Amino acid sequence: NAGVTQTPKFQVLKTGQSMTLQCAQDMNHNSMYWYRQDPGMGLRLIYYSASEGTTDKGEVPNGYNVSRLNKREFSLRLESAAPSQTSVYFCASSNGAEGKGGYTFGSGTRLTVV
Amino acid sequence: DQQVKQNSPSLSVQEGRISILNCDYTNSMFDYFLWYKKYPAEGPTFLISISSIKDKNEDGRFTVFLNKSAKHLSLHIVPSQPGDSAVYFCAASRRGTYKYIFGTGTRLKVLA
Repeated sequence: NAGVTQTPKFQVLKTGQSMTLQCAQDMNHNSMYWYRQDPGMGLRLIYYSASEGTTDKGEVPNGYNVSRLNKREFSLRLESAAPSQTSVYFCASSNGAEGKGGYTFGSGTRLTVV
Repeated sequence: DQQVKQNSPSLSVQEGRISILNCDYTNSMFDYFLWYKKYPAEGPTFLISISSIKDKNEDGRFTVFLNKSAKHLSLHIVPSQPGDSAVYFCAASRRGTYKYIFGTGTRLKVLA
C-alpha cells in the first residue's frame, strides 16, 4: 500500500522554467491538497481539491496552477519558476468527512529555483 | 495573519520526562484540531486529534488538551522517548472548509 506518491523527490530549476509536480494516491480518498513548507513558516496550503472535478485556492496560490486529473491524481504546475518558490512541497489526501481524520502526506518534493 | 501559532520553535526534554507542546489559534470557528509529527526528509504523519466538543483526548503516551475559551491546545507526551525527537505541527480546521491551517511547528529534542 503506497499511500501518497510524489514525483520527483528532488528538482533544480532555473528561473523562468516550468515544471509539474505529480501526486497520486491509492487510498480512494476524495480530497487532495498541495502544501509548501518553508523555514519558520510551517505548512502553507497552495491549492486543494475537495472532490474530483473541483479545485480551490489556498493561502498561497500565486504562481501555481493545479489539475485534478482523476480521483487518484492531483498535479501542481509552476509556469515560470521564481527563486521564491524554492521550498519543499507536500501532497496530501483525505477521506474524512470535511477533512476530519487528518491527511495522509507524501514524502515531499524538494525544489530549488536558481 | 497567522491563524494558528506555535510560539516555541524548539523544546528540549530529558528522556522519561513530560514534553508539553503548545498551540494557539485566533479563529473561533475552528472546530477540529490535529497534531502531526515530522521527521527529516519525510512527510508529516498524523498523531492525534480532538474535536471542539471535547477538552481532552488520549492515545497511549500522547494526550491533547483543548481550552476553547483561551483558544489554546497542548500536546503532552509522557514519558518522552528519544524516538519522539521530531518537528510537531498543530493544525486546525473549520467545518465545511475541507482544509487545515497549520502552525509553524515546534522542534522537540528528547535527550537520552
